[in-house]
Amino acid sequence: NAGVTQTPKFQVLKTGQSMTLQCAQDMNHEYMSWYRQDPGMGLRLIHYSVGAGITDQGEVPNGYNVSRSTTEDFPLRLLSAAPSQTSVYFCASRQGERNSPLHFGNGTRLTVT
Amino acid sequence: AQSVTQPDIHITVSEGASLELRCNYSYGATPYLFWYVQSPGQGLQLLLKYFSGDTLVQGIKGFEAEFKRSQSSFNLRKPSVHWSDAAEYFCAVGLFNNAGNMLTFGGGTRLMVKP
Repeated sequence: NAGVTQTPKFQVLKTGQSMTLQCAQDMNHEYMSWYRQDPGMGLRLIHYSVGAGITDQGEVPNGYNVSRSTTEDFPLRLLSAAPSQTSVYFCASRQGERNSPLHFGNGTRLTVT
Repeated sequence: AQSVTQPDIHITVSEGASLELRCNYSYGATPYLFWYVQSPGQGLQLLLKYFSGDTLVQGIKGFEAEFKRSQSSFNLRKPSVHWSDAAEYFCAVGLFNNAGNMLTFGGGTRLMVKP
């Protein structure tokens, strides 16, 4: 059981470039979300989805787009990368029940120069 | 909006010593509370969670946490630390409403274990 899989593990971008961070889960979880982790700030929610075709903004959505065309996949798109988006990105998913914990991927370390 | 504070950025303990990591939250109702652990280069792993009922909850790897409503705290404890416990620990508050999985994390506490 792979759980939550994120690709790539590392990425370096130049300012203005675009890219997509991939996230896939094989647990048939309804909820999926993207967090960014910055030193001393814990994890902050970027976008989330409560099911296929439904997405919403989290705490820090600016500069990022998401879509949820299938239950399994929840890609995060950076349209025009900025140095402020240098961070470690985590995808997480959980079942629909309220007492279900989040399952995290191993993260993508992104550097924007 | 809810917030989570972990007052200690770094903690160093000797192997075999007891451990307590502090977590305070600000929220208008009884929240769902979690502790996660993150090893270097890895994602976050759930240690334990509190939703209701007994205020002392047991987790994996010998950890426990106690919810104290009067102090708005959810401190993590372990009686005897092992070298493999060295990692970063995150406290989180959950607002699981119909809108989705809103989880607010504290800034984290990095635990170092001395031999």
